[in-house]
Amino acid sequence: GEDVEQSLFLSVREGDSSVINCTYTDSSSTYLYWYKQEPGAGLQLLTYIFSNMDMKQDQRLTVLLNIMDKHLSLRIADTQTGDSAIYFCAEFITMGGGNKLTFGTGTQLKVEL
Amino acid sequence: EPEVTQTPSHQVTQMGQEVILRCVPISNHLYFYWYRQILGQKVEFLVSFYNNEISEKSEIFDDQFSVERPDGSNFTLKIRSTKLEDSAMYFCASSEGGNQPQHFGDGTRLSIL
Repeated sequence: GEDVEQSLFLSVREGDSSVINCTYTDSSSTYLYWYKQEPGAGLQLLTYIFSNMDMKQDQRLTVLLNIMDKHLSLRIADTQTGDSAIYFCAEFITMGGGNKLTFGTGTQLKVEL
Repeated sequence: EPEVTQTPSHQVTQMGQEVILRCVPISNHLYFYWYRQILGQKVEFLVSFYNNEISEKSEIFDDQFSVERPDGSNFTLKIRSTKLEDSAMYFCASSEGGNQPQHFGDGTRLSIL
């Protein structure tokens, strides 16, 4: 079955880069996503990468994908206090009649001054 | 920017009662989903819905649950005879196409007493 794993916590200083890692098991994933969840809020789509790409950059965000190792990472450059949140990676699974996202456990990012 | 809206933000219900959680997906989206997140656990897929029928459902989505698109804008999740373990945050999501990014609402926190 599908399984997506992340480390639970990450603490960085403001201005440093943050790297959040994710591993997944389903080799049939076509897309991999990063969502951000601030306290009391919903899941905000940050970025995604198609499985035939190894890197995608979007302003301060860089996504790296190693499809052989089934490893995904999200790098946030110049991390700000407003980046403090829980970050979820998710793999997109196509099933017989439909599709779904399988989420990781979430990584809580804490940005310190 | 268009967004998925969910009501109510918090629902408190006695065990055994029925609840209906409501969602208004993004207007040009054709695929609709429900997920839930029990406190401290992963976000879990419940059901996907397309063309007025369920396209996929998880093991969690048993006979206690049902979904409906009663009109052109709303998408509802009904939980009959609620149990304590149904307490969770329920997220609605929608996507333009079956393999397009899913956009999430802010969720409804369901508390069963």
